[in-house]
Amino acid sequence: DAGVIQSPRHEVTEMGQEVTLRCKPISGHDYLFWYRQTMMRGLELLIYFNNNVPIDDSGMPEDRFSAKMPNASFSTLKIQPSEPRDSAVYFCASKGSGATSTDTQYFGPGTRLTVL
Amino acid sequence: AQSVAQPEDQVNVAEGNPLTVKCTYSVSGNPYLFWYVQYPNRGLQFLLKYITGDNLVKGSYGFEAEFNKSQTSFHLKKPSALVSDSALYFCAVRDDTGFQKLVFGTGTRLLVSP
Repeated sequence: DAGVIQSPRHEVTEMGQEVTLRCKPISGHDYLFWYRQTMMRGLELLIYFNNNVPIDDSGMPEDRFSAKMPNASFSTLKIQPSEPRDSAVYFCASKGSGATSTDTQYFGPGTRLTVL
Repeated sequence: AQSVAQPEDQVNVAEGNPLTVKCTYSVSGNPYLFWYVQYPNRGLQFLLKYITGDNLVKGSYGFEAEFNKSQTSFHLKKPSALVSDSALYFCAVRDDTGFQKLVFGTGTRLLVSP
């Protein structure tokens, strides 16, 4: 299995621009999570989906952030407009459920976002 | 609400010596506890977990952790440290309600010297 795939790995953009981060979960996993990691705040859960439906978006910082999951194999996290304080590493993770699940979240390699 | 405390920002140990990375938690109901490791510029890698059963859990790369309900702790241990174990270690917890939010500690940097 290829694991969780994220793209791009690095993104540098200017303040005010739209940024789209992408994630492909592990095949067969029905949960998908978006996290943000910064030195100041550590690892924070932004939103998670179950069967493509958002379950908890209480961690989304503000309306500039939005996430979608149009199908079981793809999710996006969009920031519009971006600000320098959005600079962070964004991780996607996925998890299976059911009798054969390990009940463990598996993380992608992350996208390092720098907003100038 | 659940929470995790990792009281040490950094742990230093010599190669070949045993290591312990501490974690305490707070959760309503029964805890699901996890340890992850993060190498520089990499994602988090799963090490081990406790959900139920034996309080001593064995995981990847020779790591183990002991669940202690009375002390609400889940310390990570390894009998003999390797230089390659140097990394950032995160403890995480969620409750058993089915709500999937995993709360992470602030991380502990492990530095193993040759």
